[in-house]
Amino acid sequence: EVQLLESGGGLVQPGGSLRLSCAASGFTFSSYAMNWVRQAPGKGLEWVSTISGGGGSTYYADSVKGRFTISRDNSRNTLYLQMNSLRAEDTAVYYCARTGVVVTATVSFDYWGQGTLVTVSS
Amino acid sequence: DIQLTQSPSFLSASVGDRLSITCRASQGISSYLAWYQQKPGKAPKLLIYAASTLQSGVPSRFSGSGSGTEFTLTISSLQPEDCATYYCQQLNSYPRTFGQGTKVEIK
Repeated sequence: EVQLLESGGGLVQPGGSLRLSCAASGFTFSSYAMNWVRQAPGKGLEWVSTISGGGGSTYYADSVKGRFTISRDNSRNTLYLQMNSLRAEDTAVYYCARTGVVVTATVSFDYWGQGTLVTVSS
Repeated sequence: DIQLTQSPSFLSASVGDRLSITCRASQGISSYLAWYQQKPGKAPKLLIYAASTLQSGVPSRFSGSGSGTEFTLTISSLQPEDCATYYCQQLNSYPRTFGQGTKVEIK
């Protein structure tokens, strides 16, 4: 059974930093690109970042580029999101999600964690 | 960036009704579109991928259609447990944008 478990959320002051983790199990972690998606309170879904299976390719939303860094440790089956220079508008539930692939095409985010809440406030 | 526009934003229907949600892309995305269901306080759940392929375990009353710039999610017979917000997402290019969501309520 595929499982994704996020951790690391909490309350942080504006300008502060936080590192989120997503522990994966039930599949060959290194074979899948992974993603972070966030949802501000009462708002819709916003894609944040994607990393390839080997970690060599990364992609970011403009809203977090230069402040957030996605990474992974395939030996630990863990995905990370390092968040620096946090702003009030980064307040959201952060989900990790696995990329769903058919042959070689990315077609979905097929499994999601339960999310971890990040609150940026003084 | 590719923008996705869902309509309607809110929909109220009765149990047993057939309903459709539309997702329009600002440029062609072939069939690289997925649909998700999200219930309050829960993570999104994949319903449909590649525009029309039903994810394993999803009830057959859900279906998807379309390609290019216009897509539709249809629920053939609305059930009480379908009360949720539905999102489309394009996976044709980065950024992987989502539609703004359609909230479905049971009358």
